[in-house]
Amino acid sequence: GQQLNQSPQSMFIQEGEDVSMNCTSSSIFNTWLWYKQEPGEGPVLLIALYKAGELTSNGRLTAQFGITRKDSFLNISASIPSDVGIYFCAGQPGGKLIFGQGTELSVKP
Amino acid sequence: GAGVSQSPSNKVTEKGKDVELRCDPISGHTALYWYRQSLGQGLEFLIYFQGNSAPDKSGLPSDRFSAERTGGSVSTLTIQRTQQEDSAVYLCASSFPLETQYFGPGTRLLVL
Repeated sequence: GQQLNQSPQSMFIQEGEDVSMNCTSSSIFNTWLWYKQEPGEGPVLLIALYKAGELTSNGRLTAQFGITRKDSFLNISASIPSDVGIYFCAGQPGGKLIFGQGTELSVKP
Repeated sequence: GAGVSQSPSNKVTEKGKDVELRCDPISGHTALYWYRQSLGQGLEFLIYFQGNSAPDKSGLPSDRFSAERTGGSVSTLTIQRTQQEDSAVYLCASSFPLETQYFGPGTRLLVL
């Protein structure tokens, strides 16, 4: 079946540092999404990407839809303590979402 | 307006018992999804409803799992004869068709 490989699994960074995480797929997706999940909550959509090569920003977050349509990355610039959480990539083949395993981000003040 | 709500928020049950998990989607959202998240894992798709019908139930792990949706709104996920490996967070999401999915807070299920 379709699988997404997300890396790194976890990151421990200092406040103010930039962060980068990426996701690769064994198959092509027409939509890539990035979600953030905080403890005890459901995932919240950060950025949606709909076109190969597309680069989209949301505040300090920037994400790109890979030109092959099999990968995506998410960058967070100048991290702050409230960036802590688990970040998931997801591809959308039709209605359902296929999720990566998540990147757990810890930010040290 | 209210977001997606799920109940109960936590459920502890004994192996072999049946459980029902409820999802109230955002008003007007015709699409509803169930996902399962095991400890430290990503979300695993279970089933998708469009209105009251389920065009994709490919993620249900066994015939002990079933779901229904009535009135194009509330959905119930039922797990019969629960097993310890069913312990997970069960998340519901709703959306307009093929648009952004909004997630509820989940039901944390623990099977002893």
